[in-house]
Amino acid sequence: AQTVTQSQPEMSVQEAETVTLSCTYDTSESDYYLFWYKQPPSRQMILVIRQEAYKQQNATENRFSVNFQKAAKSFSLKISDSQLGDAAMYFCAYLPIQGAQKLVFGQGTRLTINP
Amino acid sequence: NAGVTQTPKFQVLKTGQSMTLQCAQDMNHEYMSWYRQDPGMGLRLIHYSVGAGITDQGEVPNGYNVSRSTTEDFPLRLLSAAPSQTSVYFCASSYSGAKNIQYFGAGTRLSVL
Repeated sequence: AQTVTQSQPEMSVQEAETVTLSCTYDTSESDYYLFWYKQPPSRQMILVIRQEAYKQQNATENRFSVNFQKAAKSFSLKISDSQLGDAAMYFCAYLPIQGAQKLVFGQGTRLTINP
Repeated sequence: NAGVTQTPKFQVLKTGQSMTLQCAQDMNHEYMSWYRQDPGMGLRLIHYSVGAGITDQGEVPNGYNVSRSTTEDFPLRLLSAAPSQTSVYFCASSYSGAKNIQYFGAGTRLSVL
């Protein structure tokens, strides 16, 4: 079975600085998707960024980018120019391409932004 | 466009009571899923559906029933609530197409006393 591990339960960063959240996963599949979701205090799950495993180029979305290392099964999220609104729980998630769309989530990392 | 709508937002039950968590989507998505979120454990899949009339179990299905009579609705039933079912429940939906992005409802916080 696939597993996703986020080894940092909590992280903090100064406003305007850069922070990297770690995620590793385990799968025997060669093709899949990886996601980072943000969950602010409102509880809403918000998609931050998505990576397709067959693409070597790292995904970017404005201040958010990923470092996808397929061989190492690593998928870290970098947030540049951190803003107070970035404070939230961040979840890494894995989705196989074949079969039903069953997302597998990591345990989450709580990110605090210090003004 | 409402997206994925969950009701109620909050619920308190006594042990042994039954209830149904409602989920509706207006995006004509084939896939719908229920997850539960517990502290320190992320979200775990309870049940999912690949279309009307088709459902299957996820990682933690015990104590929950689902059905999918229409594309739009995917209710989650607790037949006899237990304190272990205290959690936040999320419904999600997605296309089967290339984007594979799941859209989540706002969640239901359930407490079982």
